[in-house]
Amino acid sequence: EVQLLESGGGLVQPGGSLRLSCTASGFTFSNYVINWVRQAPGKGLEWVSTITEGYTTYYADSVKGRFTISRDNSKNTLYLQMNSLSVEDTAVYYCARKATVTTIPGNWFDPWGQGTLVTVSS
Amino acid sequence: DIQMTQSPSSLSAFVGDRVTITCRASQGISDYLAWYQQKPGKVPKLLIYAASTLQSGVPSRFSGSGSGTDFTLTISSLQPEDVATYYCQKYNSAPWTFGQGTKVEIK
Repeated sequence: EVQLLESGGGLVQPGGSLRLSCTASGFTFSNYVINWVRQAPGKGLEWVSTITEGYTTYYADSVKGRFTISRDNSKNTLYLQMNSLSVEDTAVYYCARKATVTTIPGNWFDPWGQGTLVTVSS
Repeated sequence: DIQMTQSPSSLSAFVGDRVTITCRASQGISDYLAWYQQKPGKVPKLLIYAASTLQSGVPSRFSGSGSGTDFTLTISSLQPEDVATYYCQKYNSAPWTFGQGTKVEIK
């Protein structure tokens, strides 16, 4: 069974840092594009960042320069290093796999992890 | 960047009604359009990709159509378990933007 499991969320003060992890199982992690998506309380889905199987990275303008996505294929794990956090970053953070292997164009998301809550507050 | 606009933001319909949700892209995206369903308190779930291809296991009462800039998600006969928020997403290139969501309720 394909699974994604996020961890690392919690309460952090404005200006602080946090590192999220997403551990994958049930598929060949190194072959897939993986994404981070967030959802602020009561709000919609916001794409945050993507890393390809070739380590190319993409960021939403709202997090560019503050967040860093990375992957460790030996550990089947995706990371999101979040620095200079603000209250606007408060959200559930989901990792989501590209639905198909990279040879097929486009990046739609399936499956999704269960999410980890990040709360930025003083 | 391409913007994705859904309408309506919310709707209420009777069980058995036909429900249609619209998603409009600010520029053409061919058929690089996905729809997701998020039930209250749950994780988003892929319903449709390539604008009209039903994901495995999704009930056939769901269908998608459109190409270019205008897309629709249709529920042919609304069921109580379809209460959820539905999101469209463009996926041809970064940024992989979502629509703002459409909340579907039962009257």
